[in-house]
Order: sequence, then structure tokens, then C-alpha cells
Amino acid sequence: FMLTQPHSVSESPGKTVTISCTRSSGSIATNHVHWYQQRPGSSPTVVIYEDEQRPSGVPDRFSGSIDSSSNSASLTISGLKTEDEADYYCQSYDSTNPRWVFGGGTKLTVL
Amino acid sequence: QVQLVESGGGGVQPGRSLRLSCAASGFTFTSFAFHWVRQAPGRGLEWVALISYDGTKKYYADSVQGRFIISRDNMQNTLSLQMNSLRPEDTAVYYCARAGYWGQGTLVTVSP
Repeated sequence: FMLTQPHSVSESPGKTVTISCTRSSGSIATNHVHWYQQRPGSSPTVVIYEDEQRPSGVPDRFSGSIDSSSNSASLTISGLKTEDEADYYCQSYDSTNPRWVFGGGTKLTVL
Repeated sequence: QVQLVESGGGGVQPGRSLRLSCAASGFTFTSFAFHWVRQAPGRGLEWVALISYDGTKKYYADSVQGRFIISRDNMQNTLSLQMNSLRPEDTAVYYCARAGYWGQGTLVTVSP
């Protein structure tokens, strides 16, 4: 299966943005979805794991969810700050053909 | 704290080989499967290979199948990626990763 994300999104500081991640085949609920933030020159870090869990140290402005009706996962960032500007990747696991599957990444611009 | 530290990257000519290593610390190494993930310049994340917690199961992306070999040393807490028959399209930052944690990456450049 593939995971499809919008190439880019932009929003103003203080606003809320949602990044989608749509699974091409099979149920989105079959395997957990994780979200990574990657700033330029840095390695990816987890901001949401197991669909909706937030690691310690990640602000509660970050939230995750899945929607079986649209077969997609979403990352929502509220109260946007300029420091949130980064690339965001969704990732799941293909248990049929063991491997990590990544979305193409979404570039978030906060302006 | 959990640490994954890659090494072994560098410049290499097409057709040559390179071996990457990843030193793990701060957790029970044998409890986790590990992955190699790469990122070509300006591109997204591409999964490369997976090895099970005990090293008995290994899986590869089609793009590297037959050329790359993933391995682990559960006594030394290290993960390796032997890369053979390198191609220019293998140029990327290579990350070792486990659930929830990634290393800082090591750059591999394949050019004449």
C-alpha cells in the first residue's frame, strides 16, 4: 500500500493546520500510523506515535487521529508557531510485506 | 538515554562497496527490530531494510535487494548495512532507526 500526503500546506501563526495521510489499500486501522517532524539538516523525530499518542516533550498543540471512513490519518497542529515550520511525514507498517511505509512528506510553512 | 550513532559514510565510486554501522545504547538492543532508512538530497524518506530482533529475518526494498545486506551483532549492540555495487542513485543520508528513535544519519555519496 502507499500513503499519500499533500505536498505542502501553509498557515498563519496562531492558526490550526491539519495534514492528511491517506492509505491506498487496506484499512488505515490495520497498522498504527506515526508522524515525524523533520527540520532542515536534522533527523526525523516522532511527534505522534500509534495514531494519537504524543511523546513526552511534544507540546499538546500536536494531535493525531485516524478516520476509517476516509481511510486516512491526520496530524493537527493548533496555535501554530514559526518553530513548527518543517517537513512532516506519516509512516505505517506493512505486515504483509514487512517494511516501513512512508508518506511523501508535507512541507509546512508558517507565515 | 536512547542513542543511535551511525558511521561509515563517505564518498565512493559507482560499483564499489561501503559498510555502514550503527552503535546503539541506552536500551535493551535485543528487544527491538531495526531499520535502515535513507533520504536522497531534497527528497523524502525511503525505507531500505529491516532486521528482526534476533537477526533471523531480513527484508529489503526492491531498489537494494541483492546489493545491500543488513546485519546485527547482539553482543556488540551494533547494526550494519553492507552496501555493494553502489549506484549514483544510492546517494543519500542513511539513518538507522527503531521504533520511536532515529540516529543522526551518515551521508553516502556515490559519484565517479
